[in-house]
Amino acid sequence: SQQGEEDPQALSIQEGENATMNCSYKTSINNLQWYRQNSGRGLVHLILIRSNEREKHSGRLRVTLDTSKKSSSLLITASRAADTASYFCATGTQGGSEKLVFGKGTKLTVNP
Amino acid sequence: DGGITQSPKYLFRKEGQNVTLSCEQNLNHDAMYWYRQDPGQGLRLIYYSQIVNDFQKGDIAEGYSVSREKKESFPLTVTSAQKNPTAFYLCASNRREAARYGYTFGSGTRLTVV
Repeated sequence: SQQGEEDPQALSIQEGENATMNCSYKTSINNLQWYRQNSGRGLVHLILIRSNEREKHSGRLRVTLDTSKKSSSLLITASRAADTASYFCATGTQGGSEKLVFGKGTKLTVNP
Repeated sequence: DGGITQSPKYLFRKEGQNVTLSCEQNLNHDAMYWYRQDPGQGLRLIYYSQIVNDFQKGDIAEGYSVSREKKESFPLTVTSAQKNPTAFYLCASNRREAARYGYTFGSGTRLTVV
C-alpha cells in the first residue's frame, strides 16, 4: 500500500530557481524521509525528519513537516541541472514497523 | 567501499521460467528489502528480512520467493507464477530499527519478459 502522495507529479524549472515538492500521507508516522532517483538508478537517501521535528536543513535542501496536516515539503534552493531526478517521500509508521512506504514521486527537470 | 551490489543489471526471462536476482551487501546491515518499481510509479514492497533465516511478505509477494541464509545476501526468485514480472527491481538494506535511518539501495535489476 502506498502512503505518501507527492505533488506535483512533474516539475520543470530553470537553473537557479527554487524547486518545491510536497508529500501528503494518511496515517500517523514516526518519521518521513526523502529520496532521490536518477533515471534507471537506485534511490539515494537525502534527509530524514522525525515526527517531533518541524524543519530540517541539509545543504541546499530544506524539509518541513506538518503532522497536523499530514504533509511535508522538500525545497531545493538554487537548483542545478544536476538536480534533475525523481524525488520520493517515504514514511515510517508508528508502532515499530520496520518498513518504509514510498510515494509515487515527483519528476524534477532543471533546464540549463 | 561498503554498499549493495545487485546483479545482473539487465535480465531477460522467457515465459514459464524462474529467474533469480542477486543482492549482496557488505554494510553489516541486519535488514534487507526487495522493491518493485513500474514505470512512473513508486516502489512497492515484495519481501523483507530483518534477520538471517527469517523474512516476511510485503504488499505484492505473490509469484516471488526469497531466502536469507546469510546476513550479506538476500536473493529474489521471480517464479513462473508471477504473471507480469517486467519491472525494475530494487534491493535495499539498513540497520535494525529501520524507520529511524535511511535505506541504502542497490543500482537495480531491470527484468524483461521476452
